[in-house]
Amino acid sequence: EPEVTQTPSHQVTQMGQEVILRCVPISNHLYFYWYRQILGQKVEFLVSFYNNEISEKSEIFDDQFSVERPDGSNFTLKIRSTKLEDSAMYFCASFPGADRLAKNIQYFGAGTRLSVL
Amino acid sequence: AQSVSQHNHHVILSEAASLELGCNYSYGGTVNLFWYVQYPGQHLQLLLKYFSGDPLVKGIKGFEAEFIKSKFSFNLRKPSVQWSDTAEYFCAVTTAMDDYKLSFGAGTTVTVRA
Repeated sequence: EPEVTQTPSHQVTQMGQEVILRCVPISNHLYFYWYRQILGQKVEFLVSFYNNEISEKSEIFDDQFSVERPDGSNFTLKIRSTKLEDSAMYFCASFPGADRLAKNIQYFGAGTRLSVL
Repeated sequence: AQSVSQHNHHVILSEAASLELGCNYSYGGTVNLFWYVQYPGQHLQLLLKYFSGDPLVKGIKGFEAEFIKSKFSFNLRKPSVQWSDTAEYFCAVTTAMDDYKLSFGAGTTVTVRA
């Protein structure tokens, strides 16, 4: 079965550094998402992306965050200047989009654990 | 985002016991409902989903869930658990109002003792 893949599985960084989290969605999917889960808390929506632009973003997704689909296969999340509170598990998901208004099923990657020191 | 409540934070039970995990949501309109499972070290996997029709839905690995609209609930059940069911279980909702992004509950950790 096709899978969403995320790299790296664990990223350790110093506060203030930039990080890029990478995702390869399922190849024929059209919609892409980033979610995050702070330890002990619920999974939270960050951003959705369609047709090479952001379609929706949450209040968490401030100017420090950006997403990109640079080459038609990778989907990246960049955090420009990391803060301690950015430490979390970040999940990428993709969605076929053939019938977006119903029966939507998102497929998730294994996640990247980001640790900001 | 919609509010999704999962009643139990951590459930511990023995093999062959029955499992029921509660999930309630807040939205009064049309919803799509999901249960995802996350086994240790693995990605979120879809267990089952409800869009419309029969409110009792069957998923993978012997799980089922019942949508009760009057109670805004979508509880997950399994009649006889196995050690391999040890995982974290997330209830999630999408609605047209929220542009179909997933709103998750806090999750329930299920530990099955052999």
